Amino acid sequence: NAGVTQTPKFQVLKTGQSMTLQCAQDMNHNSMYWYRQDPGMGLRLIYYSASEGTTDKGEVPNGYNVSRLNKREFSLRLESAAPSQTSVYFCASSSGTGGEQYFGPGTRLTVT
Amino acid sequence: GEDVEQSLFLSVREGDSSVINCTYTDSSSTYLYWYKQEPGAGLQLLTYIFSNMDMKQDQRLTVLLNKKDKHLSLRIADTQTGDSAIYFCAESSHLPTGRRALTFGSGTRLQVQP
Repeated sequence: NAGVTQTPKFQVLKTGQSMTLQCAQDMNHNSMYWYRQDPGMGLRLIYYSASEGTTDKGEVPNGYNVSRLNKREFSLRLESAAPSQTSVYFCASSSGTGGEQYFGPGTRLTVT
Repeated sequence: GEDVEQSLFLSVREGDSSVINCTYTDSSSTYLYWYKQEPGAGLQLLTYIFSNMDMKQDQRLTVLLNKKDKHLSLRIADTQTGDSAIYFCAESSHLPTGRRALTFGSGTRLQVQP
């Protein structure tokens, strides 16, 4: 039982490049989330998916897109990376929205 | 919008008790959470408290909730060097869509001195 897994663990991009961060959970959770963590700012919600087939914007969605591929998988795409998107990205899942969330190990992204 | 506030840093000696404080704004939060983040790792759920409770104890952890003042605290008894980490408070708050999600504080870095 792996919980929440994320790939890759580390990534360096040049400004303007694109990439997709992958997330998968094996807990049969309905809801999944993407956060970014910046020093001194806690976690900020980028996008979430309350259930398979739905996605909604969070606090900081600009520059990102998401896909809820199936119940297990929720991906985050950066179409044209900017240095302001340098951050640590966490995926999380929960059985329902507002409930306790379980986090992946994070992806450390640097945009130069 | 909803806001969760925590002090940024706490330093204690090994064996002492640590108390980490948090204030939140959404009075309709049904659950409040404490998470722990060790260096280079994701967030790990430590404990949570239901909003109709005043206190919850779980081994060395005690959570106190003052709903009137919207104040939450986490007490760690007999603090060990392995407790050094960042601790996040989170409340379940409403998003503009009407759904709920967790709103996290900025985290309190706990440093335990041997």
